[in-house]
Amino acid sequence: GDSVTQMEGPVTLSEEAFLTINCTYTATGYPSLFWYVQYPGEGLQLLLKATKADDKGSNKGFEATYRKETTSFHLEKGSVQVSDSAVYFCALSEPSGGSNYKLTFGKGTLLTVNP
Amino acid sequence: KAGVTQTPRYLIKTRGQQVTLSCSPISGHRSVSWYQQTPGQGLQFLFEYFSETQRNKGNFPGRFSGRQFSNSRSEMNVSTLELGDSALYLCASSQRRGSNTEAFFGQGTRLTVV
Repeated sequence: GDSVTQMEGPVTLSEEAFLTINCTYTATGYPSLFWYVQYPGEGLQLLLKATKADDKGSNKGFEATYRKETTSFHLEKGSVQVSDSAVYFCALSEPSGGSNYKLTFGKGTLLTVNP
Repeated sequence: KAGVTQTPRYLIKTRGQQVTLSCSPISGHRSVSWYQQTPGQGLQFLFEYFSETQRNKGNFPGRFSGRQFSNSRSEMNVSTLELGDSALYLCASSQRRGSNTEAFFGQGTRLTVV
C-alpha cells in the first residue's frame, strides 16, 4: 500500500538557518503530494502541494518539488523564523477508481527554531 | 467563511463507555474524513463520508463508526472505549473527492480514556 517516510527529528535550528525536511513516498500510481503544518494546539493546515512530476509547490517561503524519479518531496526553506516552529507532515493522496480518497501521512517532524 | 468545527474540544471517558464526536465542515464541503492522531502511530485514516455515504474506511475495528447527515455534518462514535483509544481525533472537509483536493482540518477533539 501507499506509505510516506519522513525524517522524524526533532529538528532544532537557529533563526535564519536553512531548513530541509526529507520525505520519500511509495505509491502504485501517480499521487498528489502535500506538506501540512500543525502548530501547537491546532489542527493541520495545508502548507503546499504538487499534483504531478516536476511540479514545485511553494508558500510562505517554503518550497518542495515533486521528484518522481526519486519518489521524493523534500521541504525546504532558505531562512527559518521562530514562528515556523511546528510539526510538519508530508502526505500523499492517490486516486483509485474514484472510490478511494484518503491522505496517507508521514510520522511528522517537529521543528523548533530558536532566536 | 467559518472553518471546520469539532466539538467537544476535550473529553475524558472511562474504559467501556462510548463516545460521540461531532464535526461541522466548511459550508459547501460535502466530503468529511476522520483521522486518529497518536504519538506512536501518527495520523491514521479512519473513514470518509461523502453525500451521507461511507466511501472509504481505514483499518480500525468495528467499534469505530460514523455517519454523515444531509447537511454534511458528521459524527463518529467509539463504543466500548479502551485505553488505547486515547488520541486526538481530527476531522477534515473538502469540496469534492479527488486526490489533489485540499483538505481543511478542524482543531480536533482530544479524547482521554481512563
